[in-house]
Amino acid sequence: ELKVEQNPLFLSMQEGKNYTIYCNYSTTSDRLYWYRQDPGKSLESLFVLLSNGAVKQEGRLMASLDTKARLSTLHITAAVHDLSATYFCAVLPYSGGGADGLTFGKGTHLIIQP
Amino acid sequence: DAGVIQSPRHEVTEMGQEVTLRCKPISGHDYLFWYRQTMMRGLELLIYFNNNVPIDDSGMPEDRFSAKMPNASFSTLKIQPSEPRDSAVYFCASTRFTGASTDTQYFGPGTRLTVL
Repeated sequence: ELKVEQNPLFLSMQEGKNYTIYCNYSTTSDRLYWYRQDPGKSLESLFVLLSNGAVKQEGRLMASLDTKARLSTLHITAAVHDLSATYFCAVLPYSGGGADGLTFGKGTHLIIQP
Repeated sequence: DAGVIQSPRHEVTEMGQEVTLRCKPISGHDYLFWYRQTMMRGLELLIYFNNNVPIDDSGMPEDRFSAKMPNASFSTLKIQPSEPRDSAVYFCASTRFTGASTDTQYFGPGTRLTVL
């Protein structure tokens, strides 16, 4: 059974600081996703990571993937209040091709204080 | 594109009643997913379809839950009879699988279901 663990589950930080959210998964995966969810809202896709060593950046967020360690990180640089949200990592189990349902981590509730 | 459309956005019902949730995927997408989000269990996959055919329904909690996709632009998730523990936010998502690095699942706004 595929398991996805995120840590921390809750993070309060100050504006301007850097921090990293970690996502570990238990079995071989085709690809890994990062989503953002604002309170009472839907999920917004941030990044899709396929291959070992993949790195993607958008603004103050950077995601990376190490398939050998089964680890992905979401790094926040110089945090701003607008980044406050819950961040989920989700894993697509290895299927040899085709889409499948995602297995989600529990989410990291991020609060960025002025 | 309008994105994934779900209705109703909110549903309050009494225990024992039938509930039907509706989803219209993004045009051209060949996969449709139903997820449920609760505080206790997080986000869980219930069922997904490929080209209107159910592929994996192992996440459907019990026989009270059923899902259909009669055509490429419409799916329903039905709960009959509903119970208080079914209270959750139900998301529909869709994707068009190409194998590209940009393939992702697009989520609808969700239906917040409260069963009294």
